[in-house]
Amino acid sequence: DTAVSQTPKYLVTQMGNDKSIKCEQNLGHDTMYWYKQDSKKFLKIMFSYNNKELIINETVPNRFSPKSPDKAHLNLHINSLELGDSAVYFCASSQGVWGANGYTFGSGTRLTVV
Amino acid sequence: AQTVTQSQPEMSVQEAETVTLSCTYDTSESDYYLFWYKQPPSRQMILVIRQEAYKQQNATENRFSVNFQKAAKSFSLKISDSQLGDAAMYFCAYRGSNYQLIWGAGTKLIIKP
Repeated sequence: DTAVSQTPKYLVTQMGNDKSIKCEQNLGHDTMYWYKQDSKKFLKIMFSYNNKELIINETVPNRFSPKSPDKAHLNLHINSLELGDSAVYFCASSQGVWGANGYTFGSGTRLTVV
Repeated sequence: AQTVTQSQPEMSVQEAETVTLSCTYDTSESDYYLFWYKQPPSRQMILVIRQEAYKQQNATENRFSVNFQKAAKSFSLKISDSQLGDAAMYFCAYRGSNYQLIWGAGTKLIIKP
């Protein structure tokens, strides 16, 4: 009965590899997000989709590409991984772009690039 | 641009006592939402409490309450009867009209047994 599930929880990979993180929500929300949390715990928005349409696309390297096949799924694909990509990546969802009731977060994916 | 400031990088409190975490924000908007999120060592981000700016009444959720001062742009979180399970990073967040949640830097709360 997990509300927002991300897979995998941990990902260790070598520089230069391509990897994907998957996210699914079963809350019926129409808006989904990807956040990056760095080692100092600072949270930064990366992307947001509303009903499968991209509405937020922050300044992130174009090696990062989100894909939303339907409004319950938002995946993140990362090409040519770099050491600086090491972080925790959170998926979240909300009802409506305002997210007035708050966001529901997944448990995060800790990505380590070696 | 909106900003959110949490001036206390770390706070500690004795178990069963009360602690207040501060948060201030800067905005020119009149309609917005404010949130407190908790991130325990498990890493999960958990919504603690939310406040709608047009509501003057302070939000309360069990042992958690806020002191929302709209004119002062202040949104502090009070935790009563602190428990060991309250130990976590606490993040204040602002949601305005630009579709983005603006986050503070977080306050690490330590509970002393």
